[in-house]
Amino acid sequence: RKEVEQDPGPFNVPEGATVAFNCTYSNSASQSFFWYRQDCRKEPKLLMSVYSSGNEDGRFTAQLNRASQYISLLIRDSKLSDSATYLCVVKDNFNKFYFGSGTKLNVKP
Amino acid sequence: ETGVTQSPTHLIKTRGQQVTLRCSSQSGHNTVSWYQQALGQGPQFIFQYYREEENGRGNFPPRFSGLQFPNYSSELNVNALELDDSALYLCASSLQDEQYFGPGTRLTVT
Repeated sequence: RKEVEQDPGPFNVPEGATVAFNCTYSNSASQSFFWYRQDCRKEPKLLMSVYSSGNEDGRFTAQLNRASQYISLLIRDSKLSDSATYLCVVKDNFNKFYFGSGTKLNVKP
Repeated sequence: ETGVTQSPTHLIKTRGQQVTLRCSSQSGHNTVSWYQQALGQGPQFIFQYYREEENGRGNFPPRFSGLQFPNYSSELNVNALELDDSALYLCASSLQDEQYFGPGTRLTVT
């Protein structure tokens, strides 16, 4: 079983739509959680850290559910520029980082 | 831009050779992590260096080794290259857990 699992998508949504991604992780001792976005043939860029209390940054909201071992990312009012692959990242208690394989989002005009 | 730089940008090597990749971390960051990303996959954690010591390691064989220097820049060394080592190699610098990636080195092994 993979440490971090994501639906690969693609999610094809119109501009202005709300879209949500989930990610599950297997290690209950995981300590830190993040969302990154990666554009084609570019490096991953930090989107946001995910806190136990949930956090919001503009149109983006991240939630952590430790009991069910999943994290989510909600994007409201999707823009064309949101088209990318979204990577879920988990850090365990041995300083190891695990990336999911990513969820591809296509926002259409 | 993150301020994290990597060299070289591209590299072609032959199976069995050795390679050294370099990374300069963002100013003020004391931790560097290295990742291997195959096409269509998420980055795979190789190891992390904190203040010149290895601080965590993923499931990579010992022929993957690294160094961190007093200025916190880092090297990734891979010995006895195999065809499956062809990938994008990313380094990320951080002060705590939020990592900032360089543009990567694309390694092709023939």
